[in-house]
Amino acid sequence: EDKVVQSPLSLVVHEGDTVTLNCSYEVTNFRSLLWYKQEKKAPTFLFMLTSSGIEKKSGRLSSILDKKELFSILNITATQTGDSAVYLCAATSGAGSYQLTFGKGTKLSVIP
Amino acid sequence: GAVVSQHPSWVICKSGTSVKIECRSLDFQATTMFWYRQFPKQSLMLMATSNEGSKATYEQGVEKDKFLINHASLTLSTLTVTSAHPEDSSFYICSARASTGIETQYFGPGTRLLVL
Repeated sequence: EDKVVQSPLSLVVHEGDTVTLNCSYEVTNFRSLLWYKQEKKAPTFLFMLTSSGIEKKSGRLSSILDKKELFSILNITATQTGDSAVYLCAATSGAGSYQLTFGKGTKLSVIP
Repeated sequence: GAVVSQHPSWVICKSGTSVKIECRSLDFQATTMFWYRQFPKQSLMLMATSNEGSKATYEQGVEKDKFLINHASLTLSTLTVTSAHPEDSSFYICSARASTGIETQYFGPGTRLLVL
């Protein structure tokens, strides 16, 4: 059975801190790993990673994939209160439909 | 990025009624659409995969006669919750994958269903 595990489940930091969110996966016929940010509504897309060792960046957010060790990390530097959300990691497997298997998410709370 | 809309955003209905939720890809054609359900403080659970012009594929434990899915065009999929009961109350989210082969799924804003 495909499995995606995120850690920590919950994290509270002060504004300005840097955080690292972890995601490990065991997925048959792995294709890609995706990170999403979910606030009160549906998830918004952050990154898709397919190759090991290549960092993707978007502003203060960055992510990298290690296909040998089967994990990914999402870094957020200089956190702001607007970064407070649940961050979801999902792995795509198989051919054809590209179904996503989601982790349970990491709830990040950034306090002033 | 690609835009996916859902309608309605909120539904409150009586037990036993049916509710239809629409999912549209606004600026791209979606060969495949996915329907998820999310209960409070839980992650998204895939309910079914919907391919345009063919029958939906349901995940284990999801009743296909209760959750009817129609993917009639490359930009529209509908989920109908038939004879809804209070335990069907949840946050229903659709996502769409572009026909161009890109694997990224773009999510709609979700529909909150409350069955009284």
